[in-house]
Amino acid sequence: ETGVTQTPRHLVMGMTNKKSLKCEQHLGHNAMYWYKQSAKKPLELMFVYNFKEQTENNSVPSRFSPECPNSSHLFLHLHTLQPEDSALYLCASSQAGAGTMESLWYGYTFGSGTRLTVV
Amino acid sequence: TQLLEQSPQFLSIQEGENLTVYCNSSSVFSSLQWYRQEPGEGPVLLVTVVTGGEVKKLKRLTFQFGDARKDSSLHITAAQPGDTGLYLCAGAADSGGSNYKLTFGKGTLLTVNP
Repeated sequence: ETGVTQTPRHLVMGMTNKKSLKCEQHLGHNAMYWYKQSAKKPLELMFVYNFKEQTENNSVPSRFSPECPNSSHLFLHLHTLQPEDSALYLCASSQAGAGTMESLWYGYTFGSGTRLTVV
Repeated sequence: TQLLEQSPQFLSIQEGENLTVYCNSSSVFSSLQWYRQEPGEGPVLLVTVVTGGEVKKLKRLTFQFGDARKDSSLHITAAQPGDTGLYLCAGAADSGGSNYKLTFGKGTLLTVNP
């Protein structure tokens, strides 16, 4: 399997639930990202991992907890979410290290996203 | 904060028509990318432009980066229903320490009707 794979594709959870989103890339890329896409808003960068190390947390509430056990896998652990957290959560990877010019030349490869609904 | 303004926000046209969408900013970008996002999918990179005044063509799509590297346009010739999607521009500026961050616009939602 190639590309960036995200599971599940859809998730409905209550505000007291705990769930996890999974992202897997088979591209040999060195950087991975979590983005949030809400209606009428630009994509919002949440977290950046560079060679498995978290290099950026874009002021994301602690109810979102990322985990990167290796350079191919990225998780987003969710707990006690709010209805306004409902959105499409996208995972992306880049060939070169995050923040480098090279990462921009080759672009980001996105997964299909997880459509999250918090009820 | 580097803002990218995309216009129009929505565009609905008939198959065969030409169209242009725009991406503007007050900031200078070291590079700019265009992505297309189809319903239920993630964005897919179409092109990266890095040089002011640069023009790139991808079949019926023509991308231009402004001379001052603050704006870009995407022109589609003879649009087809398969061109339907959300077109996102994303710019990267050096935010200090050679840490290039990608900022996305809100996108232009294009619908091409058969």
